[in-house]
Amino acid sequence: EADIYQTPRYLVIGTGKKITLECSQTMGHDKMYWYQQDPGMELHLIHYSYGVNSTEKGDLSSESTVSRIRTEHFPLTLESARPSHTSQYLCASSEPAGRNEQFFGPGTRLTVL
Amino acid sequence: AQSVAQPEDQVNVAEGNPLTVKCTYSVSGNPYLFWYVQYPNRGLQFLLKYITGDNLVKGSYGFEAEFNKSQTSFHLKKPSALVSDSALYFCAVRERENTDKLIFGTGTRLQVFP
Repeated sequence: EADIYQTPRYLVIGTGKKITLECSQTMGHDKMYWYQQDPGMELHLIHYSYGVNSTEKGDLSSESTVSRIRTEHFPLTLESARPSHTSQYLCASSEPAGRNEQFFGPGTRLTVL
Repeated sequence: AQSVAQPEDQVNVAEGNPLTVKCTYSVSGNPYLFWYVQYPNRGLQFLLKYITGDNLVKGSYGFEAEFNKSQTSFHLKKPSALVSDSALYFCAVRERENTDKLIFGTGTRLQVFP
């Protein structure tokens, strides 16, 4: 079944740890996105990719990094987690052409102690 | 710059009554507009979109939205609300021509009371 997956769903980690949030989609979409969302608040785009080996920073400055080595996989990494990184991270993908909606994963809720 | 505004932080409605969640936009060029719903601890689910054509757009779960160019609005509507419609609703607009980047509104929490 075509879908978009995020793991882990919940992560509680200590300050200074390196973490990677996984995002995979089986829809064959070229375009993928990472958003940061505080609970019940608006979404902020932090990274996006228009295809393999293409990554761009979004509108909200973020200390995280991303990679796009395979079409279906778009992981987000924090080299040294801090409490200010506590948030929900949402991954999305879309078909080309600009007319199409973005499909969202279930999100990862990150808590840094 | 493109933007969307959701003027209401929360909308309360009784079950069975019609509901409206408001969205206004500011774009240069043709607007591509979207509505999403978010349930607690979940990602966003697509409801409907306006690209071109009929001003009344029908979407998932009985929702519809009316595109009004003169008022630059794209309000979400449903004739008869359900308690299960209670969620956070986001309006979004495409950032600019030839891009899939979306700009999201601040969200409106819909509370449907039995």
